[in-house]
Amino acid sequence: GQNIDQPTEMTATEGAIVQINCTYQTSGFNGLFWYQQHAGEAPTFLSYNVLDGLEEKGRFSSFLSRSKGYSYLLLKELQMKDSASYLCAVTSTGRRALTFGSGTRLQVQP
Amino acid sequence: ETGVTQTPRHLVMGMTNKKSLKCEQHLGHNAMYWYKQSAKKPLELMFVYSLEERVENNSVPSRFSPECPNSSHLFLHLHTLQPEDSALYLCASSQPGTSGNTIYFGEGSWLTVV
Repeated sequence: GQNIDQPTEMTATEGAIVQINCTYQTSGFNGLFWYQQHAGEAPTFLSYNVLDGLEEKGRFSSFLSRSKGYSYLLLKELQMKDSASYLCAVTSTGRRALTFGSGTRLQVQP
Repeated sequence: ETGVTQTPRHLVMGMTNKKSLKCEQHLGHNAMYWYKQSAKKPLELMFVYSLEERVENNSVPSRFSPECPNSSHLFLHLHTLQPEDSALYLCASSQPGTSGNTIYFGEGSWLTVV
């Protein structure tokens, strides 16, 4: 089976940096995804990691360590509009679909 | 605009009604999905279609019946639902083999069963 853990809620200050962690257990790991979901809206794709290391995309970066079953999403220069849920998801060999964690609700305060 | 369109956006139905959710993708993908999102629970995969063939059915009750007439359209037929089926139903599509099979979601259909 697959198991994904991430914190339920986090709070951070506008302009700061926040790191959202995700740990996973899965057989045949084939990639890890981060999605952003604003309240009442669909999840939107943020990043994809399949190899170890850091992928940077503007203010957002995602890191993966396959040996540790660990990933994080780093958000820099936080803005109020970054208040949303952040979903970690994994895919495994032979499965087309993604398996999602429960999501981390991030609240950015002034 | 994500390239995946769902209708209706909101639906209220009684437990004896029959209704359908519709999804259309304009991305040229050949895999489509239904996910269910309930409050405080992870996104739950319901069905996967690849090239119009159902390839995965995650122990979903028979009161949910999917239909995929072609690679661009996906339906979820609903019949004799229960109040606990009230949730956000998300359609998604992907092109396997690209970027790890990144999936793209529609805006979702909010379903309330009364």
